[in-house]
Amino acid sequence: AQTVTQSQPEMSVQEAETVTLSCTYDTSESNYYLFWYKQPPSRQMILVIRQEAYKQQNATENRFSVNFQKAAKSFSLKISDSQLGDTAMYFCAFMKHARLANAGGTSYGKLTFGQGTILTVHP
Amino acid sequence: ETGVTQSPTHLIKTRGQQVTLRCSSQSGHNTVSWYQQALGQGPQFIFQYYREEENGRGNFPPRFSGLQFPNYSSELNVNALELDDSALYLCASSLVPGGPRKTQYFGPGTRLLVL
Repeated sequence: AQTVTQSQPEMSVQEAETVTLSCTYDTSESNYYLFWYKQPPSRQMILVIRQEAYKQQNATENRFSVNFQKAAKSFSLKISDSQLGDTAMYFCAFMKHARLANAGGTSYGKLTFGQGTILTVHP
Repeated sequence: ETGVTQSPTHLIKTRGQQVTLRCSSQSGHNTVSWYQQALGQGPQFIFQYYREEENGRGNFPPRFSGLQFPNYSSELNVNALELDDSALYLCASSLVPGGPRKTQYFGPGTRLLVL
């Protein structure tokens, strides 16, 4: 079974500064996907960024980037130029890779989430 | 907005009752997953439906059941409600259950309170 650990229950940052959220995971799989989701107080879970484990290049989406260290099983999220709208709970999540053709009875598409990190951006 | 909708937004039930929650997936998505999120916790996987069949299940008892319809919308049913069932229930849809296009997009959730 996979586990995801976010060791920072809460973080805070000043507007326009940079913050890094930590995530570690444990798995015996070699092919998998990692995600960061954001859940604002309005509660809708929004995808921030995703990383395929077979790709060595770190994913980047505008102000959001990851530092993916496969050997260390680490997947941190860096938010640059923080904005007030970045205030939210951030979840790191793991999903194992599976072939579509073999769908019988296996939990394909199951996301395993960490406990979350509450990020507050201060003006 | 992800295009995934859920109803109702809030619900209050008493212990022992039954509840049905509904989810409409994003256009073109044939896979729906359900998660339970207790207050202050990360979501926990309940089950996934793909082309109207259950395609995987987490560690939830049989009183949690579901359906997926031909239009790929889905229902989550919970029988014999317990106090610990109080949570936010999230539905997520994806293009396919497996493969590189499996990113899940979440709805706004249904907040269930069991008294």
